[in-house]
Amino acid sequence: KAGVTQTPRYLIKTRGQQVTLSCSPISGHRSVSWYQQTPGQGLQFLFEYFSETQRNKGNFPGRFSGRQFSNSRSEMNVSTLELGDSALYLCATGEDNYGYTFGSGTRLTVV
Amino acid sequence: EDQVTQSPEALRLQEGESSSLNCSYTVSGLRGLFWYRQDPGKGPEFLFTLYSAGEEKEKERLKATLTKKESFLHITAPKPEDSATYLCAVPVVGGSYIPTFGRGTSLIVHP
Repeated sequence: KAGVTQTPRYLIKTRGQQVTLSCSPISGHRSVSWYQQTPGQGLQFLFEYFSETQRNKGNFPGRFSGRQFSNSRSEMNVSTLELGDSALYLCATGEDNYGYTFGSGTRLTVV
Repeated sequence: EDQVTQSPEALRLQEGESSSLNCSYTVSGLRGLFWYRQDPGKGPEFLFTLYSAGEEKEKERLKATLTKKESFLHITAPKPEDSATYLCAVPVVGGSYIPTFGRGTSLIVHP
């Protein structure tokens, strides 16, 4: 089966800019979760979308936002980028309480 | 506050040298515990879900066990290809089950 697809794989942005990342979940999966992974903080939950509605949100500032489309594809946006936003951003899909399937991530570097 | 702690942070083994990784958790009402493997530059890959104390699951050289306060990932006769970061996660009950991850154990197996 096709996996979770994240684009782009790599991004370099300048402080103050904004960025949009994309995630296409496994076909038929309606939930999409986003995580930020850094060496210092590990994997931290950003938000979860289910059927185009945000179902849960982590403790991140309002600069981090997301949305989900009717085909379950999801985007996350980070505005006014800061150096500390440099991280691997991971998207995952899963149903109920089973293990998530993760994409390969988008590596964002803010300079 | 719900918390997941993994130890050790890093582990170096010789090929064939068995060992165990630990994941301790403090969660009100455990609804499962997940183990993942993450290779550099990739998203985590699901390994196991354990639901109740005493449960064990195996996959090749890996065996995961669960008690009321912690889980162990036993690695028997590891090979260099087992080198990876191993993450455990516990679902936090909110609107849905959002996995909260530990910081992981970085395992290196030398030939």
